[in-house]
Amino acid sequence: EAGVTQSPTHLIKTRGQQATLRCSPISGHTSVYWYQQALGLGLQFLLWYDEGEERNRGNFPPRFSGRQFPNYSSELNVNALELEDSALYLCASSNLGSEDNEQFFGPGTRLTVL
Amino acid sequence: AQKITQTQPGMFVQEKEAVTLDCTYDTSDPSYGLFWYKQPSSGEMIFLIYQGSYDQQNATEGRYSLNFQKARKSANLVISASQLGDSAMYFCAMREGLGFGNEKLTFGTGTRLTIIP
Repeated sequence: EAGVTQSPTHLIKTRGQQATLRCSPISGHTSVYWYQQALGLGLQFLLWYDEGEERNRGNFPPRFSGRQFPNYSSELNVNALELEDSALYLCASSNLGSEDNEQFFGPGTRLTVL
Repeated sequence: AQKITQTQPGMFVQEKEAVTLDCTYDTSDPSYGLFWYKQPSSGEMIFLIYQGSYDQQNATEGRYSLNFQKARKSANLVISASQLGDSAMYFCAMREGLGFGNEKLTFGTGTRLTIIP
């Protein structure tokens, strides 16, 4: 069974540009989560999508947005990039019906803002 | 207050020894779940073990066990017979509430474990 996949692996942008990151969940999972991991820090929750709807949002400005498609894949968009947006962005998926609702993570997209 | 606290930024352990990684948490919700993840240098987060707040027994998964002390609000990860491949960052995380809408994980700052040959 394929795991969570993310693309691209690396992304380099300049300040003010927009970045689009993509995530495909494990087959059968309807929930997708986005986390930001800045260098040397723990993961910070960004967004949670389930069944195409945004269910919860972390403490991030509105220029962080996303969507979930009918096939449950998801995009994270970051507008007006700032230097501090440089981080590893991790996507996770889960099956809400499971007992512990474990989140399975993808390999991440490393975004560098110059 | 920090919801998840990991007080050991780094640890060095001799191969084949057991190691305990500390995690304390803070929540007023009686229903919560605690997770441990491993993050190798490649960046991917690997799920290790889960403990529910109502679970009566400590969780175990192979060489991993969770020392859950509810009254102390601690959920330490114990790795038995450490291996070189255990060298990685380890994160403790919590999900508060078990109902729909409480699905985000709150992570600690992590512990970097280095296994010495």
